[in-house]
Amino acid sequence: QKEVEQDPGPLSVPEGAIVSLNCTYSNSAFQYFMWYRQYSRKGPELLMYTYSSGNKEDGRFTAQVDKSSKYISLFIRDSQPSDSATYLCAMSPNNAGNMLTFGGGTRLMVKP
Amino acid sequence: KAGVTQTPRYLIKTRGQQVTLSCSPISGHRSVSWYQQTPGQGLQFLFEYFSETQRNKGNFPGRFSGRQFSNSRSEMNVSTLELGDSALYLCASSARQGANEQFFGPGTRLTVL
Repeated sequence: QKEVEQDPGPLSVPEGAIVSLNCTYSNSAFQYFMWYRQYSRKGPELLMYTYSSGNKEDGRFTAQVDKSSKYISLFIRDSQPSDSATYLCAMSPNNAGNMLTFGGGTRLMVKP
Repeated sequence: KAGVTQTPRYLIKTRGQQVTLSCSPISGHRSVSWYQQTPGQGLQFLFEYFSETQRNKGNFPGRFSGRQFSNSRSEMNVSTLELGDSALYLCASSARQGANEQFFGPGTRLTVL
């Protein structure tokens, strides 16, 4: 079993929908949680960065961390066709330097 | 501010050969990490360099190695290439060691025939 699990999708939604993307993890040492967006043939782009539990909002994006359940979420409001991409969650414990552990990614398709 | 650059963008090699990939981090960033991305295994950490020293290493064989120069630019080398080494190799830079906010380059797509 992988340390970080993510539904691969694809997840298909109509334009304007609220999208919910999730990851579960098994390592209770993870303290830092990130969401990346990756377009085809591009490198991952950092979207959200959170520490420990709680919520963080940035424009149309909201990241939630529930450490008690080992569950993190990314919500996208008013989804746009340009949001169509693969979304990767990543996490790290305090003392691992820059060694991120990634989920497998969820492919999102937003249809006009 | 320019982002992370990686060269070359595409590479085709044959089994048994070796390859060197290059990464220039964002100006002012001193930490460089390398990742391998494949459809089957996803993104996996290879190693991290900071101040010309390898700080962390992932679970990859010794055929994978790297180095960092005094200007923070980094190279990774894969010797005795195997078919399974075909992947997108991504470089990420961050301002300091232990900073989890990492910014990725476009990657080098390596195909081993």
